[in-house]
Amino acid sequence: DSGVTQTPKHLITATGQRVTLRCSPRSGDLSVYWYQQSLDQGLQFLIQYYNGEERAKGNILERFSAQQFPDLHSELNLSSLELGDSALYFCASSVDDSYEQYFGPGTRLTVT
Amino acid sequence: GEDVEQSLFLSVREGDSSVINCTYTDSSSTYLYWYKQEPGAGLQLLTYIFSNMDMKQDQRLTVLLNKKDKHLSLRIADTQTGDSAIYFCAETFSGGYNKLIFGAGTRLAVHP
Repeated sequence: DSGVTQTPKHLITATGQRVTLRCSPRSGDLSVYWYQQSLDQGLQFLIQYYNGEERAKGNILERFSAQQFPDLHSELNLSSLELGDSALYFCASSVDDSYEQYFGPGTRLTVT
Repeated sequence: GEDVEQSLFLSVREGDSSVINCTYTDSSSTYLYWYKQEPGAGLQLLTYIFSNMDMKQDQRLTVLLNKKDKHLSLRIADTQTGDSAIYFCAETFSGGYNKLIFGAGTRLAVHP
């Protein structure tokens, strides 16, 4: 158990809908990262937050957004969902900009 | 550019050593990582090596880095059935903050 928690574990929704994925980092970690794992694209970095501020952005679609709250938990919002958004979404956390990132168990999103 | 490549599949006999290989293209890599993913689970950080090191050993795991050839390997001694999983090579690089760039993963199958 890495200490990073993600909810929900599974999510099934329809095209065009909006969902929110939640992540709680390890105790004491200030940085949160979001990654997407799909069969087509593999594991891809989406976005990083550090202590509430956006730190780095990757291949994140404009339909997707994220934030990190004062209690350091983070949410990833996915809107206008398409079939191709079906994937595993992982959250990771690290102490600061540390090189050790610890991953949560992931949220499996299925868009039908 | 950012690119990490791995062979997709490796099969070994229980008790033998496994060697999983990875090549990367970014000469400004700072850290190189090995993550393990078991079915239905998140990514477990196994080990990592700083780019100015040649080797790191951690119990049954040995990481070798050849900077000239941009080649990274993970050797698992005395491979067990519990080692069956997908192994991902990943890198971070200077100027990229700490976003992880992953390879496609190598599926390790351990048979009796």
